[in-house]
Amino acid sequence: SQQGEEDPQALSIQEGENATMNCSYKTSINNLQWYRQNSGRGLVHLILIRSNEREKHSGRLRVTLDTSKKSSSLLITASRAADTASYFCATSGSNTGKLIFGQGTTLQVKP
Amino acid sequence: DTGVSQDPRHKITKRGQNVTFRCDPISEHNRLYWYRQTLGQGPEFLTYFQNEAQLEKSRLLSDRFSAERPKGSFSTLEIQRTEQGDSAMYLCASSRRGTSGTDTQYFGPGTRLTVL
Repeated sequence: SQQGEEDPQALSIQEGENATMNCSYKTSINNLQWYRQNSGRGLVHLILIRSNEREKHSGRLRVTLDTSKKSSSLLITASRAADTASYFCATSGSNTGKLIFGQGTTLQVKP
Repeated sequence: DTGVSQDPRHKITKRGQNVTFRCDPISEHNRLYWYRQTLGQGPEFLTYFQNEAQLEKSRLLSDRFSAERPKGSFSTLEIQRTEQGDSAMYLCASSRRGTSGTDTQYFGPGTRLTVL
């Protein structure tokens, strides 16, 4: 079963614009991670934010986490055509570290 | 390339046949996970190994599915008597247990299974 929802399900922007994706989850977590998946391929880890952190940056990526609202957002600044992919949030809340994924946001960046 | 490899990358089989997939994790990683992903959905957890011990199995893992990780290195996932509903991408991931809340999982490229 999926942990929560991602919003929007699909997003289409022009190169150079910013893209914001949101993720909501249902249960308490240890951390939340964002992954990228190009069509039909494996997942690439982007960024991990711990439950006691509120914001994290990595290059053009900015992730926020609001545990009171059980939500997170991923901002990609100055988007490029190569950012075209599906983006998934995943939460980890157990000792095993297993991830529970959202349904993903499909991002299209037009050149 | 994350360092996690899976074989084969694609498998087409007829309903009722058995299939086996292999995952080679990053060598120093003691945790290994299997996930299943169907079209348009996020991956769903199937099972977890810490070293050679299988410590958690999802209810998605029916009796026809079995996974092993002998000697705590590579892992295999076998599906017996395949059904069309088993068609999916099977993803393997590995991680090294770190301090609480810091495990990053690295995913392989996946094995795409098509059951005819």
